[in-house]
Amino acid sequence: QKEVEQNSGPLSVPEGAIASLNCTYSDRGSQSFFWYRQYSGKSPELIMSIYSNGDKEDGRFTAQLNKASQYVSLLIRDSQPSDSATYLCAVNWNFGNEKLTFGTGTRLTIIP
Amino acid sequence: EAQVTQNPRYLITVTGKKLTVTCSQNMNHEYMSWYRQDPGLGLRQIYYSMNVEVTDKGDVPEGYKVSRKEKRNFPLILESPSPNQTSLYFCASLGASTDTQYFGPGTRLTVL
Repeated sequence: QKEVEQNSGPLSVPEGAIASLNCTYSDRGSQSFFWYRQYSGKSPELIMSIYSNGDKEDGRFTAQLNKASQYVSLLIRDSQPSDSATYLCAVNWNFGNEKLTFGTGTRLTIIP
Repeated sequence: EAQVTQNPRYLITVTGKKLTVTCSQNMNHEYMSWYRQDPGLGLRQIYYSMNVEVTDKGDVPEGYKVSRKEKRNFPLILESPSPNQTSLYFCASLGASTDTQYFGPGTRLTVL
């Protein structure tokens, strides 16, 4: 059974600080990795995708991938109250986005 | 406006009464998928379709059927619903040249 693990939280971070979200996965051969944000009562929306080891930055968001450690993380700089949501880590065991396995999500609360 | 639509948004039914949840996308996407989301279990893939007449099982296909007769539509069929199928269901679509999976608004199903 291929698994994706996340700390369910809740994770509380002061406004303006860096929020760090972590995810581990079981299959060493996994190829593509995604972070989704889901507001309460809403559908998930893609924030970041990452395919290669290292960092990928997009605005205030940075995804970090370490395939040797089977670890992917999401950093949110200058956290805003609007970042309060559940963050879902998703892994595809092949290239692409078709057959995703999701973690259970980490609930993040930004404290004003 | 690019979107994925689902109907109905809310449904309460009884055990054994066949139902269909419709999903439609207007982006000419090849790939479509169904997920269910349950507290503590996260998003789990039920079925996916790579194109018209091409469907495959996800991680939790038991008790569900799908069909893909047209590119834009991907209905989810519960032939004989049971209470353990009470859940929040999401449809999603993805184009061949993008890694952004678009989710529908969700269908909250209660089976009594």
